[in-house]
Amino acid sequence: GIQVEQSPPDLILQEGANSTLRCNFSDSVNNLQWFHQNPWGQLINLFYIPSGTKQNGRLSATTVATERYSLLYISSSQTTDSGVYFCGGSNYKLTFGKGTLLTVNP
Amino acid sequence: GAGVSQSPSNKVTEKGKDVELRCDPISGHTALYWYRQSLGQGLEFLIYFQGNSAPDKSGLPSDRFSAERTGGSVSTLTIQRTQQEDSAVYLCASSSTVNEKLFFGSGTQLSVL
Repeated sequence: GIQVEQSPPDLILQEGANSTLRCNFSDSVNNLQWFHQNPWGQLINLFYIPSGTKQNGRLSATTVATERYSLLYISSSQTTDSGVYFCGGSNYKLTFGKGTLLTVNP
Repeated sequence: GAGVSQSPSNKVTEKGKDVELRCDPISGHTALYWYRQSLGQGLEFLIYFQGNSAPDKSGLPSDRFSAERTGGSVSTLTIQRTQQEDSAVYLCASSSTVNEKLFFGSGTQLSVL
């Protein structure tokens, strides 16, 4: 099956800083999504992005399908951005990476 | 419904008992997934439904685990003779069809004593 690697595993930022999270896939996928799991455990879908670039407020994501990776950009981070960010890819079911634990300090 | 609904939100049971976890997907969503998340870990795929059929059950850890979906809507995950290693958060997700945007429920926290 598909292997998904996320980096970095942990990231600590000061409020206002920018960051880039990366997701690498072992094989091509036609379905790639980014999620934020908040401190209460709820998973929120941030992007459905099998290819190309999308932006939503301070967040943007880029997937380069031919090179089997995706990037999530967080600009002007806020304490509410804290949590675990997961990417998942598949051809019908999402296989997830182990996540990036982001802590944004005030 | 407005979102994916799971019940109960918490379940504490004794080792050896059977439990049933329920998932009510977003109305009209044909694809439904069950995942498991152990403390501090990632998301482990369990089973996928398309309509009432389960084309992929490959993630079910043992024959103590089973799931069904009726009427193309509600799904039930059943764990028989629970063991302590079954303790985890069980998450349900749905999408309008396969390979579309996935929406998760809030999960059921299962604790086996």
